[in-house]
Amino acid sequence: DSGVTQTPKHLITATGQRVTLRCSPRSGDLSVYWYQQSLDQGLQFLIQYYNGEERAKGNILERFSAQQFPDLHSELNLSSLELGDSALYFCASSVTGIANLGSPLHFGNGTRLTVT
Amino acid sequence: DQQVKQNSPSLSVQEGRISILNCDYTNSMFDYFLWYKKYPAEGPTFLISISSIKDKNEDGRFTVFLNKSAKHLSLHIVPSQPGDSAVYFCVWGAQKLVFGQGTRLTINP
Repeated sequence: DSGVTQTPKHLITATGQRVTLRCSPRSGDLSVYWYQQSLDQGLQFLIQYYNGEERAKGNILERFSAQQFPDLHSELNLSSLELGDSALYFCASSVTGIANLGSPLHFGNGTRLTVT
Repeated sequence: DQQVKQNSPSLSVQEGRISILNCDYTNSMFDYFLWYKKYPAEGPTFLISISSIKDKNEDGRFTVFLNKSAKHLSLHIVPSQPGDSAVYFCVWGAQKLVFGQGTRLTINP
């Protein structure tokens, strides 16, 4: 158990809809990362927050947004959903704001989003 | 931009033999590499790392080799066990993490 909790585990929705994915980091971790894994692809970095502030941005679409709350949990909001947004969405956390050898990422088990 | 390539989507190895997973990268600037392991329905878990100043790091049955001149690294698992069957990701690290596409390793009894 990594200590990172993601809810829900599965989500099925229709095109054009909006969904919210939730992540609770490991106790003591200040940084939260969101990754997307499409079918048979590597993990694509979306966005990182550190102690409530956006720290880094990857290939995140404008239809997607995220935030980290004062209690350090994070939410990823996906809107105007398209079929191509179907993927596994992983949240990871780390102690520091920069992933390094002393602070590897700990991943949750992911949310599988299916857009029909 | 950095690319991390795992050219073998899958690998099948006999139990007890050596498993060798390979990874190539394009950008010479990096701080470290990581290997993550992923079982179905679970998130990736950290396995082993190597910093840019080393060419080898060993942890039990797992050894990672780094060849900077060839921009290549490999993960050796000896001896391979059925529980090693998983997807392995090579990850480049320098302020951000870049994941390869993964290699699915199957250990046959």
